[in-house]
Amino acid sequence: DGGITQSPKYLFRKEGQNVTLSCEQNLNHDAMYWYRQDPGQGLRLIYYSQIVNDFQKGDIAEGYSVSREKKESFPLTVTSAQKNPTAFYLCASRESPGANVLTFGAGSRLTVL
Amino acid sequence: GQQLNQSPQSMFIQEGEDVSMNCTSSSIFNTWLWYKQDPGEGPVLLIALYKAGELTSNGRLTAQFGITRKDSFLNISASIPSDVGIYFCAGAISNFGNEKLTFGTGTRLTIIP
Repeated sequence: DGGITQSPKYLFRKEGQNVTLSCEQNLNHDAMYWYRQDPGQGLRLIYYSQIVNDFQKGDIAEGYSVSREKKESFPLTVTSAQKNPTAFYLCASRESPGANVLTFGAGSRLTVL
Repeated sequence: GQQLNQSPQSMFIQEGEDVSMNCTSSSIFNTWLWYKQDPGEGPVLLIALYKAGELTSNGRLTAQFGITRKDSFLNISASIPSDVGIYFCAGAISNFGNEKLTFGTGTRLTIIP
């Protein structure tokens, strides 16, 4: 079955460490997205990529970095510059530039100790 | 970034009751989406609306695209335990192939035994 796989599901890190969250999709979708979710809040866009080797900052990109070297992969690095990284991170993809529907992965929960 | 005003923030109902929730925006959208998120999982698409005034059903769920294009409504009839979760609305406006989704803050549905 096609879908989006995020890993790890749970991740713990110490302050000052960088961590990378994986996102892989086999849907052959062009665009991929990273959202952050905090309790009681909606989804906030971190970064998105419309095509390979290109990505754009979203609303809360500070302290995060991404790469898009392959169509199916869009990893997110949470750097030590992110002041409040504990959150639930969601990866999503969209079929084409003209489609509005996002398909989401199951999410990764990052906790900073 | 802009967020939609979604209400109510939370609902506590008994099994069998009907549920209504809505989203409003200061901006016009040409697509409205409704997602459901189970605890610790990614959102799953319930209903997509593409035309002002459109009324669409998916089983016990019914959603409407407001005539003004600034609001949308979701109704759940005869709620059951598996309806528990967080419901998100999302609006999109075309932007030359770079359609950006704006998410509501969510409605948390709890069913009281």
